Amino acid sequence: GAVVSQHPSWVICKSGTSVKIECRSLDFQATTMFWYRQFPKQSLMLMATSNEGSKATYEQGVEKDKFLINHASLTLSTLTVTSAHPEDSSFYICSASKTGDGAFFGQGTRLTVV
Amino acid sequence: DAKTTQPPSMDCAEGRAANLPCNHSTISGNEYVYWYRQIHSQGPQYIIHGLKNNETNEMASLIITEDRKSSTLILPHATLRDTAVYYCIVRVADSNYQLIWGAGTKLIIKP
Repeated sequence: GAVVSQHPSWVICKSGTSVKIECRSLDFQATTMFWYRQFPKQSLMLMATSNEGSKATYEQGVEKDKFLINHASLTLSTLTVTSAHPEDSSFYICSASKTGDGAFFGQGTRLTVV
Repeated sequence: DAKTTQPPSMDCAEGRAANLPCNHSTISGNEYVYWYRQIHSQGPQYIIHGLKNNETNEMASLIITEDRKSSTLILPHATLRDTAVYYCIVRVADSNYQLIWGAGTKLIIKP
């Protein structure tokens, strides 16, 4: 199967700082990547769809100025949580679509804002 | 909203076959059935997908009813490491459409 690597796997940051999460497709090119957020005991909630070379499409209720997404290449997308606050603490997951095989997921990033 | 419904939880004895049902009565002709699972604090893992024929791989088997309105994921010999939340999702293949996640089934394998 295809491999998607997400980094870091966990991060603790101070309130008001920014955190960048990277998502890489290691053995395939992904024109589209997705970013999800998951709170404890809940299912994955789509935050945004990221297309290589264009602006991300955000789901309703997700602040695009707070969650900055960059998809500069076919193998890398980044999510930056700006001015993080404790309520942004969550499990963030990226996925990349591989044509014909569906979507493959990173291992997730546990963000804790203190 | 998710286009699938699954039981919230199931138990299965270790070594037995685990059969996880999924209803997708509004599935369209070009939508595939995908199964993923998520072990605690990890990203979802792809298991299997199918359109209308039954499928089998090294992880599981997928049985799709003839009318395609429901399917069953079968883990033939469940182990403790198969304890996870299992998600059934319908999606158009060869597309970049996002996955719509339901609540899934929490499968607990008991020794």
